[in-house]
Amino acid sequence: GIQVEQSPPDLILQEGANSTLRCNFSDSVNNLQWFHQNPWGQLINLFYIPSGTKQNGRLSATTVATERYSLLYISSSQTTDSGVYFCAVERVGGSEKLVFGKGTKLTVNP
Amino acid sequence: EADIYQTPRYLVIGTGKKITLECSQTMGHDKMYWYQQDPGMELHLIHYSYGVNSTEKGDLSSESTVSRIRTEHFPLTLESARPSHTSQYLCASSGHFSTDTQYFGPGTRLTVL
Repeated sequence: GIQVEQSPPDLILQEGANSTLRCNFSDSVNNLQWFHQNPWGQLINLFYIPSGTKQNGRLSATTVATERYSLLYISSSQTTDSGVYFCAVERVGGSEKLVFGKGTKLTVNP
Repeated sequence: EADIYQTPRYLVIGTGKKITLECSQTMGHDKMYWYQQDPGMELHLIHYSYGVNSTEKGDLSSESTVSRIRTEHFPLTLESARPSHTSQYLCASSGHFSTDTQYFGPGTRLTVL
């Protein structure tokens, strides 16, 4: 099956700092989504981004499908950004099932 | 934004009990999913459904079963719970198109003693 690798596994920032999270995948995809899981376990969809660039406030994401990676940018981080960020992909011909990476655990300190 | 609900949020039970985890969504989504997630780990798909009377097993083998009799309802059942079933169970749904995003419920944290 498709492999999804996220880096770094852990990231600690001071409030106000910027960060870049990376997701590499091993096969062609037709669906890629970024999620944030808050400390209480709730998962929120951040982006649907199988290719191209999108921005939503302080967050933006870029997927370079031909090189099989996606980046999530967080600018001016806040303590509420803490949690785990997951990348999930569906490979071409993958029966519309998402495969999740192991996540990046982000801690933003005040 | 989809509204998707799970009950109970927390459940502590003894070994051998039968349990049903409830999941309901109010957006009329065709597709629904159950994931299992151990603390600090990734999500694993255990069941999915593309519509009423459609259920399939996911990538992670599970002793649980599911049913989809109504579009909005996708319950998960464990006939005889064991300590190895202790985990968080997350329900999700998405619309008809493959480009639709998945929306997650708040999860059920299950502990089997």
